Amino acid sequence: GENVEQHPSTLSVQEGDSAVIKCTYSDSASNYFPWYKQELGKRPQLIIDIRSNVGEKKDQRIAVTLNKTAKHFSLHITETQPEDSAVYFCAASVKAAGNKLTFGGGTRVLVKP
Amino acid sequence: SQTIHQWPATLVQPVGSPLSLECTVEGTSNPNLYWYRQAAGRGLQLLFYSVGIGQISSEVPQNLSASRPQDRQFILSSKKLLLSDSGFYLCAWQTGMNTEAFFGQGTRLTVV
Repeated sequence: GENVEQHPSTLSVQEGDSAVIKCTYSDSASNYFPWYKQELGKRPQLIIDIRSNVGEKKDQRIAVTLNKTAKHFSLHITETQPEDSAVYFCAASVKAAGNKLTFGGGTRVLVKP
Repeated sequence: SQTIHQWPATLVQPVGSPLSLECTVEGTSNPNLYWYRQAAGRGLQLLFYSVGIGQISSEVPQNLSASRPQDRQFILSSKKLLLSDSGFYLCAWQTGMNTEAFFGQGTRLTVV
């Protein structure tokens, strides 16, 4: 089955700096890659996603890049703000496998004012 | 619009007691439904998923079971809870075809 590795597990950045989180996946048939943000004690919520026919996607301060050949994808947050502090999860899914999402282990991001 | 309801929000249960967590989805038909568990400070582990009524796939061997008695209802159960069953349980749904997964509010289960 699919295996998703996520790094780093924790990330501390100064407010205004950029944060980058990287994920690798094992199943070359994976074709959907969402990123979720989870604030303490709350449910994960989608912040951005990318499909395998696209190499990059941007939404304001957030961008995701996908390298299908290398089987890795990354989340980039620019001009970080204290409210960006949360746990971020990457995931991958394969259409043929019931569309189930396999999640990475999460990255705890702390933005220091 | 679609909504997902999950209850209860918190639960404290003694070891050996039964468990039943319920999740219902409104505003959509034939969703894919999922149960995830999240241990404290850890990632999301997929426990069960269902693509239709009565169709349950188990991802990991464990002390839990799942059922889907109706199209938009997903139930997580245990006959006898273990201490290791403690965690944050999240129900989620998708319309399928590689779309966003929407999560319920979660149930924080503490087995004592």
